[in-house]
Amino acid sequence: DTEVTQTPKHLVMGMTNKKSLKCEQHMGHRAMYWYKQKAKKPPELMFVYSYEKLSINESVPSRFSPECPNSSLLNLHLHALQPEDSALYLCASSQTQTGLGETQYFGPGTRLLVL
Amino acid sequence: GNSVTQMEGPVTLSEEAFLTINCTYTATGYPSLFWYVQYPGEGLQLLLKATKADDKGSNKGFEATYRKETTSFHLEKGSVQVSDSAVYFCALSTNAGKSTFGDGTTLTVKP
Repeated sequence: DTEVTQTPKHLVMGMTNKKSLKCEQHMGHRAMYWYKQKAKKPPELMFVYSYEKLSINESVPSRFSPECPNSSLLNLHLHALQPEDSALYLCASSQTQTGLGETQYFGPGTRLLVL
Repeated sequence: GNSVTQMEGPVTLSEEAFLTINCTYTATGYPSLFWYVQYPGEGLQLLLKATKADDKGSNKGFEATYRKETTSFHLEKGSVQVSDSAVYFCALSTNAGKSTFGDGTTLTVKP
């Protein structure tokens, strides 16, 4: 099984809502990532978890709050978002964070619209 | 810092044409190099990779060779199909575990 799943597929939320994005993998990977991708742009790294601990936070605003409850799950909690946060949010995983040539496996993404 | 520069798109080709998408990079140390493909409405999929100089990555008829002397990792395919229409991203990663992506090149193949 080389699949990363993400739910929901689409999400519409108001600026005062609280919502969560979920990501799951069962490949035994110990590194998990959140990326933000705007239309016609490359993915931008937001967070990296390594062995369930936050390893990298790319200066992401606090209205985005990541959580890694166990080695298979990764959540992204959203609160008080702005319209400019509308984007495709991609989750990825890899065997480890720092291995040479580590391949990242991406999920299909959650398309978020903030009204 | 690290950076990846891809040839600007979009690229439009007829079926069975030869494809080249140029990619050059700047990095400290010895990065690994990747090509990812993104089909409409989907996440990124690894197409091929190379981890050291002169390595050739290949998959589904696509090839790219890690050229340290020219800091390049150009993607080639001898005969493209309509189903190859997608966005292609060149990327590098270092042992810090952070990936740097190029801006992406949109390929459209017409029958």
